[in-house]
Amino acid sequence: AQSVTQLDSHVSVSEGTPVLLRCNYSSSYSPSLFWYVQHPNKGLQLLLKYTSAATLVKGINGFEAEFKKSETSFHLTKPSAHMSDAAEYFCVVSDNFGNEKLTFGTGTRLTIIP
Amino acid sequence: SQTIHQWPATLVQPVGSPLSLECTVEGTSNPNLYWYRQAAGRGLQLLFYSVGIGQISSEVPQNLSASRPQDRQFILSSKKLLLSDSGFYLCAWRVSQLGTPNFGPGTRLTVT
Repeated sequence: AQSVTQLDSHVSVSEGTPVLLRCNYSSSYSPSLFWYVQHPNKGLQLLLKYTSAATLVKGINGFEAEFKKSETSFHLTKPSAHMSDAAEYFCVVSDNFGNEKLTFGTGTRLTIIP
Repeated sequence: SQTIHQWPATLVQPVGSPLSLECTVEGTSNPNLYWYRQAAGRGLQLLFYSVGIGQISSEVPQNLSASRPQDRQFILSSKKLLLSDSGFYLCAWRVSQLGTPNFGPGTRLTVT
């Protein structure tokens, strides 16, 4: 079985300050992990993915995430927040073996304070 | 390049009416296909997934059904809509169990 926990439902940061969105996962097999961003009434856009290669993954728009197996975490970070980063962020886990399902976290709403 | 289409983009339907949402993928063959629903202020709920033509796995049967009549076409249906069916419906595809999921633009359904 697999599961994802996004530890914060809402995060607020000031423009220009660092962003940290937390994600913990559980997986019976070697997982693939993804972060997606969703702007209002839009589909989901892939930010970055981990698929058992480098543990530090760089994505689009300056985001990156580090896969830490010992902590079962895949936190999303960005050094300096921009107003356009305001959106909903989803952490997703997929077992590489065993089933076809994608399991989503409940999402974190990121607000940027001018 | 691969693209995914969903239509309609928005839909307002009365309670008890039927539903048909369509999703098509271009530029790939035999994709894994998914239907998700996102209720207001909530995360994504997996409704159905399909690994091939005619192969549908259901997560939350309720009053919804899905069909895959062609390799790259995935249809979500209902015979009688409920108020609780309102939400944002997202279709997704990926090449295989190891592929990256790609999402469509979504359909906003409001049941009145």
